[in-house]
Amino acid sequence: QLQLQESGPRLVRPSETLSLSCSVSSGTFTSSNDYWGWVRQPPGKGLEWIGTIYYSVNTYYNSSLESRVTISVDTSKNQFSLSLRSVTAADTALYLCARRVAGTFHFDFWGQGILVTVSS
Amino acid sequence: SYELTQPPSLSVSLGQTATISCSGERLGDKYVCWYQQRPGQSPILVIYQDEKRPSGIPERFSGSNSGNTATLNISGAQAVDEAEYYCQVWVSNTVTFGGGTKLTVL
Repeated sequence: QLQLQESGPRLVRPSETLSLSCSVSSGTFTSSNDYWGWVRQPPGKGLEWIGTIYYSVNTYYNSSLESRVTISVDTSKNQFSLSLRSVTAADTALYLCARRVAGTFHFDFWGQGILVTVSS
Repeated sequence: SYELTQPPSLSVSLGQTATISCSGERLGDKYVCWYQQRPGQSPILVIYQDEKRPSGIPERFSGSNSGNTATLNISGAQAVDEAEYYCQVWVSNTVTFGGGTKLTVL
């Protein structure tokens, strides 16, 4: 069974960069056939898609965040990462990583999420 | 950008059928999935490709999609079904979530 686990700093100062990783637990990080995505959820609010990476190089981002977001894959570490620059308090949220299999239109596995607070 | 609209809340009596709607322009032309999220937990896929159930999801969960509206039905709602439910679509390699519906089982 695939397992995803988010990790990274839980407190980030305003104007700095939020950096998170998602570790993929499986026999092989078969990123070639899978989409790897990030979703966030501000406290008490709904889900917001951040972006997705496919085939390690094809990235797709939420247009509202695109200027500040980078998603990348490190197959040697079985990880994919999120970088969100110039954060403000509005970026405080539960950050979740998830997988979508190519040819499908849903996330089938999710991490448990990591709550990141932006505060000085 | 594409938008999906859900009612913010819905209440259903124990054992009755809960019907949660999700509306969007020409939604019937797209594949819709539904997630259940209990407080403090990550989302769980309950319906994909409009009407398919992942293994382990009870048969009381069903879905449909036509025209501008997709629907998640929970037949014989149980107390354990009390949660937030989100619809979701992929449009041109971007993901859109509905705003979520909080289901209360009375």
